[in-house]
Amino acid sequence: DQQVKQNSPSLSVQEGRISILNCDYTNSMFDYFLWYKKYPAEGPTFLISISSIKDKNEDGRFTVFLNKSAKHLSLHIVPSQPGDSAVYFCAAQIRSGTYKYIFGTGTRLKVLA
Amino acid sequence: NAGVMQNPRHLVRRRGQEARLRCSPMKGHSHVYWYRQLPEEGLKFMVYLQKENIIDESGMPKERFSAEFPKEGPSILRIQQVVRGDSAAYFCASSSDRQETQYFGPGTRLLVL
Repeated sequence: DQQVKQNSPSLSVQEGRISILNCDYTNSMFDYFLWYKKYPAEGPTFLISISSIKDKNEDGRFTVFLNKSAKHLSLHIVPSQPGDSAVYFCAAQIRSGTYKYIFGTGTRLKVLA
Repeated sequence: NAGVMQNPRHLVRRRGQEARLRCSPMKGHSHVYWYRQLPEEGLKFMVYLQKENIIDESGMPKERFSAEFPKEGPSILRIQQVVRGDSAAYFCASSSDRQETQYFGPGTRLLVL
């Protein structure tokens, strides 16, 4: 049972344009969401997070939007840079108990120069 | 300020051998999570430990897998009698408290021949 889904395995975007990565979840108990970026042969690197009490969080070029009614979140990267090329994972968390992360399967972003 | 360290980075074992994966959390972090990533999949939670205690091992296979986080030294994920299906990337993450962001190590890539 995949509780966190990233339905686009890959995405190509021109440098300078906006990258939009999407993530859907099924468990309404999730109340915290995170995005991680992963380069090959490295561990995931934390990018940005959002609490379920918010609908938007912004950090520099990265903005995460949360639509609780649709159980959907998205990561916007503006402007996209070649160094952003990586696999992006969204993760969901229930803020009680063990606080473990439930990850999606990832979206491979390629930013074309 | 060193990040999460994992060793070895690559480990090759033959079927039936034992694999020991080590994780040293970030300085000041006493919460350790282990995740496994199978090819073309997202990271899946295995076990959550605090110093000397296993808090949640619900994601760990019941047989052959064990984990510890002693008072002194790194956390160890141990896989006995490895099988080919154990081939995966194993990531360790640490946090200063369970509510805080988890920071990941570079992973150990296990290959079972």
